Amino acid sequence: EAGVAQSPRYKIIEKRQSVAFWCNPISGHATLYWYQQILGQGPKLLIQFQNNGVVDDSQLPKDRFSAERLKGVDSTLKIQPAKLEDSAVYLCASSGGPSEETQYFGPGTRLLVL
Amino acid sequence: SQKIEQNSEALNIQEGKTATLTCNYTNYSPAYLQWYRQDPGRGPVFLLLIRENEKEKRKERLKVTFDTTLKQSLFHITASQPADSATYLCALEYSGYALNFGKGTSLLVTP
Repeated sequence: EAGVAQSPRYKIIEKRQSVAFWCNPISGHATLYWYQQILGQGPKLLIQFQNNGVVDDSQLPKDRFSAERLKGVDSTLKIQPAKLEDSAVYLCASSGGPSEETQYFGPGTRLLVL
Repeated sequence: SQKIEQNSEALNIQEGKTATLTCNYTNYSPAYLQWYRQDPGRGPVFLLLIRENEKEKRKERLKVTFDTTLKQSLFHITASQPADSATYLCALEYSGYALNFGKGTSLLVTP
């Protein structure tokens, strides 16, 4: 079974530029999550989708971050404009089926904002 | 506010010993708690889930306990091996399968 795919793996941008990350969850998983993990911290939930609807985006900085999950499969997370403090690893996870509580993570996208 | 605390210091133990990691939480009543392993440059990997009505769960060399009165979970790795060296994350359910993660504890097992 293929795991959660993310791209790109690494991205370096200047502050005030925009960036987008892509995630393809495990096939059949209805729930998709985006997390931000700053160095030395645990993952922090940014947004949770159930199919193509948003369940929780309370911690998403909506003035600069946006996310969508068209057709309830792939998802993109965008930052516009980026700030220095956005430097982090952005993790995508998915869950579904009989073990809905278990989340499967992708390898993450490491973002450096200069 | 909800808070999760894990051992702040890295844990160094000798191969063959039992590693015990602690996860304390406040202002929570989670339906379940999970432990994940994270290696450098990789995403977290699920290890174990324990529900609020369970006291203990085992999987091979891993054991998790969950004390809802003390608001604490202990994670044990018996007969530890250098390959167990990683960061271990405690995660608590807070709403609709969403998780809050602790900062993690770094474990180093030396031969």
